[in-house]
Amino acid sequence: EVQLLESGGGLVQPGGSLRLSCAASGFTFSSYAMSWVRQAPGKGLEWVSAISGSGGSTYYADSVKGRFTISRDNSKNTLYLQMNSLRAEDTAVYYCAKLSLVVVVAAINAFDIWGQGTMVTVSS
Amino acid sequence: SYVLTQPPSVSVAPGKTARITCGGNNIGSKSVHWYQQKPGQAPVLVIYYDSDRPSGIPERFSGSNSGNTATLTISRVEAGDEADYYCQVWDSSSDHPRYVFGTGTKVTVL
Repeated sequence: EVQLLESGGGLVQPGGSLRLSCAASGFTFSSYAMSWVRQAPGKGLEWVSAISGSGGSTYYADSVKGRFTISRDNSKNTLYLQMNSLRAEDTAVYYCAKLSLVVVVAAINAFDIWGQGTMVTVSS
Repeated sequence: SYVLTQPPSVSVAPGKTARITCGGNNIGSKSVHWYQQKPGQAPVLVIYYDSDRPSGIPERFSGSNSGNTATLTISRVEAGDEADYYCQVWDSSSDHPRYVFGTGTKVTVL
């Protein structure tokens, strides 16, 4: 069974840091690009970042560029999101999602598998 | 930046047809994907490449895309279809290519 399991969420103060992890199983992890998508309480979906299957190409939303870093360890089938300089507006459920292709830059790419999400709350 | 506009809500009686639109500049030239999200759950892909259905998604779900509007159609609506629906595209029109989600539509089954 294809599965994504996020962890690492929690309460952090403004300006603090947090690292999210996403453990993948049931598919050849290195053969697919991966992404993080977030959803603020009561709001819609917002794409955050994506990484190619090899890890050699990364992309970020303008709202997190320079503060967040996406990475992956294909030997551990795990995706990461390092979040620094956190702000109140980063408060959201963060979903790990599998893309349908190995590359990120493709119009036909869809988020075909999603994890259950991990909550990040930025508050003093 | 590329914007996808959806109606905030759509109401439909059981057994009828729901149509959810997604408006964007020349969206017909892009591949549109649709997601269903039930309360407290993660999104689920229901339509990809404008009109294809992943395995396990009922044939009642269909999609189309032309001009400035993409449409998700749910035929013979059931109570279990009540959810939020989001369209999504890849936007390569700027210096910072990115994935874009629509504003979301809440489908209520009367």
